[in-house]
Amino acid sequence: TQLLEQSPQFLSIQEGENLTVYCNSSSVFSSLQWYRQEPGEGPVLLVTVVTGGEVKKLKRLTFQFGDARKDSSLHITAAQPGDTGLYLCAGEEETSGSRLTFGEGTQLTVNP
Amino acid sequence: GAGVSQSPSNKVTEKGKDVELRCDPISGHTALYWYRQSLGQGLEFLIYFQGNSAPDKSGLPSDRFSAERTGGSVSTLTIQRTQQEDSAVYLCASSQPTGGVSPLHFGNGTRLTVT
Repeated sequence: TQLLEQSPQFLSIQEGENLTVYCNSSSVFSSLQWYRQEPGEGPVLLVTVVTGGEVKKLKRLTFQFGDARKDSSLHITAAQPGDTGLYLCAGEEETSGSRLTFGEGTQLTVNP
Repeated sequence: GAGVSQSPSNKVTEKGKDVELRCDPISGHTALYWYRQSLGQGLEFLIYFQGNSAPDKSGLPSDRFSAERTGGSVSTLTIQRTQQEDSAVYLCASSQPTGGVSPLHFGNGTRLTVT
């Protein structure tokens, strides 16, 4: 059983479209991070959310942490080909200390 | 460089052979993680080192896998008697816990292929 479920697993859209990626769990997290990974490279941190209900914006990316701190979403407005990559959510469970558990990822392809 | 360095970047080995993967974390980072990633998939936790504390080995898939961290810096992940299912990208990450949330800084990984 995957602790963090991401959906959709694959997403292919046209440049200019909006999209939302979801990260869900039955566990409570003290914090949740979103990473983006390109082929041949390690994941790179995009944002960290720590407070239930928190919303953070990073240019065209909007991240939300659920009120109960069990889920999160990533919304991209007017997607661009440069947004293509594997988006991973990672949670720090309240009971597991500093160990980060990753979701399976959403592979996003933005076509020009 | 200032980032996490992993070597080799690619490793092809025959089934049954042992392999060693190396990770040089960012200087001063006390936490070091190893993850495994199959093609296009998420990251599977393997092992976590934090300072001088006993490592969290709960993610190691079998006793063929082991890791050590010497002097609180460089880490080596060893896979003995490799199997084809061990083929994956092995990612190392380091962080500097500050009492709050600490982002992980990843290396570019070692792509292991067992033939």
